[in-house]
Amino acid sequence: DTEVTQTPKHLVMGMTNKKSLKCEQHMGHRAMYWYKQKAKKPPELMFVYSYEKLSINESVPSRFSPECPNSSLLNLHLHALQPEDSALYLCASSQGQQGVNSPLHFGNGTRLTVT
Amino acid sequence: AQRVTQPEKLLSVFKGAPVELKCNYSYSGSPELFWYVQYSRQRLQLLLRHISRESIKGFTADLNKGETSFHLKKPFAQEEDSAMYYCALSPMNTGFQKLVFGTGTRLLVSP
Repeated sequence: DTEVTQTPKHLVMGMTNKKSLKCEQHMGHRAMYWYKQKAKKPPELMFVYSYEKLSINESVPSRFSPECPNSSLLNLHLHALQPEDSALYLCASSQGQQGVNSPLHFGNGTRLTVT
Repeated sequence: AQRVTQPEKLLSVFKGAPVELKCNYSYSGSPELFWYVQYSRQRLQLLLRHISRESIKGFTADLNKGETSFHLKKPFAQEEDSAMYYCALSPMNTGFQKLVFGTGTRLLVSP
């Protein structure tokens, strides 16, 4: 399996809802990422997990809460989001070996709409 | 500060014409440079990286450290090359990547 799988594909949620985005890979990659992509903009890094530990948080608001339960799974828990948080959320993974700058494999994304 | 600049939002060419998508970067160290491509209704995927020095789908890109550029070139464009192209950089050898993307160039190849 050489893909990064994201669920759901689409999500509509109200500002008081709690929801989660899920990401899974079975390539043995040890680095996993969340990116946010607004319409007609490039992806922007949110979080990086390396060997299941949070390595980078790009000053993301606390209403976004990442979780890496194991080396294959990455979640993004959402709570009290704002309409401006509506975007395509991309998950990615890479080998993550120290000293090796391996390319990212991206999922298809979850298109989130906050109403 | 890390920055990637792609000056053209849209590049429109005819099939068979040469293509050059421009990318300039600013970074204090020695980054690794990438081109990622997103075809319609497909996921973002790696096209090529500077350390590989290979040609993918007829595209090449040479890192010019003096001009801090990593332009993407193809001598004869095909309709199937129509897509969104992102230039990106990442610090070398960090294990995980902290990719910084340019704003992207949409390539449209007409018959």
